[in-house]
Order: sequence, then C-alpha cells, then structure tokens
Amino acid sequence: NAGVTQTPKFQVLKTGQSMTLQCAQDMNHNSMYWYRQDPGMGLRLIYYSASEGTTDKGEVPNGYNVSRLNKREFSLRLESAAPSQTSVYFCASTPQSHAEAFFGQGTRLTVV
Amino acid sequence: AQKITQTQPGMFVQEKEAVTLDCTYDTSDPSYGLFWYKQPSSGEMIFLIYQGSYDQQNATEGRYSLNFQKARKSANLVISASQLGDSAMYFCAMSTNTGGFKTIFGAGTRLFVKA
Repeated sequence: NAGVTQTPKFQVLKTGQSMTLQCAQDMNHNSMYWYRQDPGMGLRLIYYSASEGTTDKGEVPNGYNVSRLNKREFSLRLESAAPSQTSVYFCASTPQSHAEAFFGQGTRLTVV
Repeated sequence: AQKITQTQPGMFVQEKEAVTLDCTYDTSDPSYGLFWYKQPSSGEMIFLIYQGSYDQQNATEGRYSLNFQKARKSANLVISASQLGDSAMYFCAMSTNTGGFKTIFGAGTRLFVKA
C-alpha cells in the first residue's frame, strides 16, 4: 500500500528557479493538502483541494500555485523560488470527512 | 477565524509518569474534528487519536486519551506511563468545513521523556 507518495525527497534550488513538487495518493481520498513546516511554526497550510476540480488558498499561499490534476494527484509549484521558501513540505490527503490525514514523507527544500 | 493554539513549546516528563499537552481551538463550525499527531525525529507524521465535536465521551487509544472540554474549546492530550520513545513533537489539529473542508495544525509541543 503506497498511501501518499511525494517527490522529490530533497531539492536544492537557486533563487529565482522554478520547480514542481509532485504528490499522489491511492486511497481514493477527496481532499488533498500542501503544508510547509518551519522550525517552531508547526505545519502551515499552503493550499488545499477539498475535492477534484477545486483548489483554495490556505494560511500561507503567496509564492505558490497548485494543480489538482485528477483525484489522485495534487502538485505544488514554486514559480520563482526565494530563500524564505526553504522548508520541509508535506502533502497529505483525507476523505471528505472528519478523518485522520495521511501524509507523504516530506520534501526538504533548500533555496540558496 | 479558525485557529489551533498550543502554548507549550517544550515539556519534560519523567519516564513512567503521565503528561498533559495543551491544545485550544477556535471555530464557529458546529461540526469539526480534533486530532493529535506525533512527529519523531525521523520526520514522519503519526496519527494518534481523534475526537469528533459531537462525541459525548473522551477518546482513548491505548496510553493516549483526549480530554475534550467543548465549552472551553480545549482538546488536551494525556499520555499515561510515558516511555522514552514518546520523546517527539506533538501536533494538535482540527478539521472543519468552513470555506471548504480542510485541516489546520497548531505550532506543536516538543516532549522530552527523562529516564
């Protein structure tokens, strides 16, 4: 059982470069999320997709875009990376109900 | 506005003792879920326990229990008989359906278990 798969696990970018973080889940969940985790800040919601075909801004959306490609896949794009975007990024999914979130392994992104 | 607050950045507990990690929440949604997750130093997120807003009884899962006080909007995690392996970050989280179904997290509490 794969659960939630995130790629890549590690990435180093130069300021101004762009990249896309990929996330896929195989649990037929409706809702998918992107969080960033900075030391002492917990997990902050960047964007979420409550169902296929919808996306909404979370707490810290600036500098990011997302695409809910289909029910399985939810990608996060950094158009012009900045050092302030250095963080650990987690993708997660839930059924569209009050249920536990299933997380990917995280992507450690460093912007230099 | 929906918000989760964890006011204890770090906590120490002696092995085999009980510890309470605090969590307060704010939402106007009558239906919501409350969760606790553990994040060990390896970085993965581990689900511990869930409490629904309409649940009458406090949730329990093994050594974990959730002290749910709805009127005070608090959802504290109690870990009984602490073990060295309980040393980790602990996050309180809330799912709501306001503005679309989503889950938000608190800043976390780092628990240190002393031998």
